Amino acid sequence: GAVVSQHPSRVICKSGTSVKIECRSLDFQATTMFWYRQFPKQSLMLMATSNEGSKATYEQGVEKDKFLINHASLTLSTLTVTSAHPEDSSFYICSARGAGWPMNTEAFFGQGTRLTVV
Amino acid sequence: GIQVEQSPPDLILQEGANSTLRCNFSDSVNNLQWFHQNPWGQLINLFYIPSGTKQNGRLSATTVATERYSLLYISSSQTTDSGVYFCAVGYGGGSNYKLTFGKGTLLTVNP
Repeated sequence: GAVVSQHPSRVICKSGTSVKIECRSLDFQATTMFWYRQFPKQSLMLMATSNEGSKATYEQGVEKDKFLINHASLTLSTLTVTSAHPEDSSFYICSARGAGWPMNTEAFFGQGTRLTVV
Repeated sequence: GIQVEQSPPDLILQEGANSTLRCNFSDSVNNLQWFHQNPWGQLINLFYIPSGTKQNGRLSATTVATERYSLLYISSSQTTDSGVYFCAVGYGGGSNYKLTFGKGTLLTVNP
């Protein structure tokens, strides 16, 4: 199956600093990548969708200046949490979808990144 | 947007028992996927099943798209089946495609 790798798996940062999370599709070209946020014991909430070479589309209520998303290549998307605060602590998960059948059917997920802001 | 409802929210089984998890969705969808989230947070793809029936070992899934629901069957459950099971539906085309998750079913299988 398709492999999506997310890094780092765990990060602790100080309040006010920025953190970058990488999401890579290892064996397919990801034309679309999705970023989700998950609070403890809750479902995944879509934050934004990014298409390679285009600006990300953010869901309502997600601050685009706070959560910077870049999808500069067909195998890499990054999420940068700027000026992080304790309320940004959460589990962030990326997902990737390819172009053309069958890669444009299923979405494949990274391992997730647990961000703790102290 | 589309609403995705999963039931039951919690399920406790004895090892060896069978179970059925349900996913209802409020509108037509392009795709439907079932996932298992393990204790470390990794989402494991179980089925891509926009319609019809599929089986993989002790797991099987059926989606009746015209009636807007999908079922996940787990037979002869094992303790390793414990975790959260999510249903997610995909809709929209091209750059407007979205995958929306239900709230999940927390399955606990006791030895």
